[in-house]
Amino acid sequence: DADVTQTPRNRITKTGKRIMLECSQTKGHDRMYWYRQDPGLGLRLIYYSFDVKDINKGEISDGYSVSRQAQAKFSLSLESAIPNQTALYFCATQGVAGAKRTEAFFGQGTRLTVV
Amino acid sequence: AQKITQTQPGMFVQEKEAVTLDCTYDTSDQSYGLFWYKQPSSGEMIFLIYQGSYDEQNATEGRYSLNFQKARKSANLVISASQLGDSAMYFCAMSTNNAGNMLTFGGGTRLMVKP
Repeated sequence: DADVTQTPRNRITKTGKRIMLECSQTKGHDRMYWYRQDPGLGLRLIYYSFDVKDINKGEISDGYSVSRQAQAKFSLSLESAIPNQTALYFCATQGVAGAKRTEAFFGQGTRLTVV
Repeated sequence: AQKITQTQPGMFVQEKEAVTLDCTYDTSDQSYGLFWYKQPSSGEMIFLIYQGSYDEQNATEGRYSLNFQKARKSANLVISASQLGDSAMYFCAMSTNNAGNMLTFGGGTRLMVKP
């Protein structure tokens, strides 16, 4: 099983619908992130959480909300989806700050299409 | 603020040849980490290599090496003996202590390996 699992892997939804993307991890990491990738572009940070009670907005949080249900679970919601939220979404985890190596571990990604 | 710049949107390389993907960074922090990720057409993000700012030697992982030039603030990825499976997007990323070790990504370079 993957260390970081995203569900669903693909989703097509209609404009105005509410949709939730889920992420779970078995790495035991405190930190979890949601990124968005648009075609041909890099990753942009939507929200991040350093622990269950610490949730912060990233550079493009408008139109999104998150919930950290447990150390292992971090969900991203689009309250009212719009077409320009069509993108590839990644969840990632990261080890505790101060560790020598702080690479992020990514889920497989969720391809979301809003029609 | 920290910033990662990848100036090569796309590159071609002949199979079995070596290729260098450029990455420059900007940070005032003395303690930071540099990372390279590979994103094949299937979409997942694969961690390739890590370089710490205090590491005296350039990092190597199999066919991947990181040409770290601290004074020039560059962290170029070198892929030796390119293979067709190396065709992918490649992202450079950085984490710094001052930014809580969160990853900042460059815009990516698309590498295409020619047979």
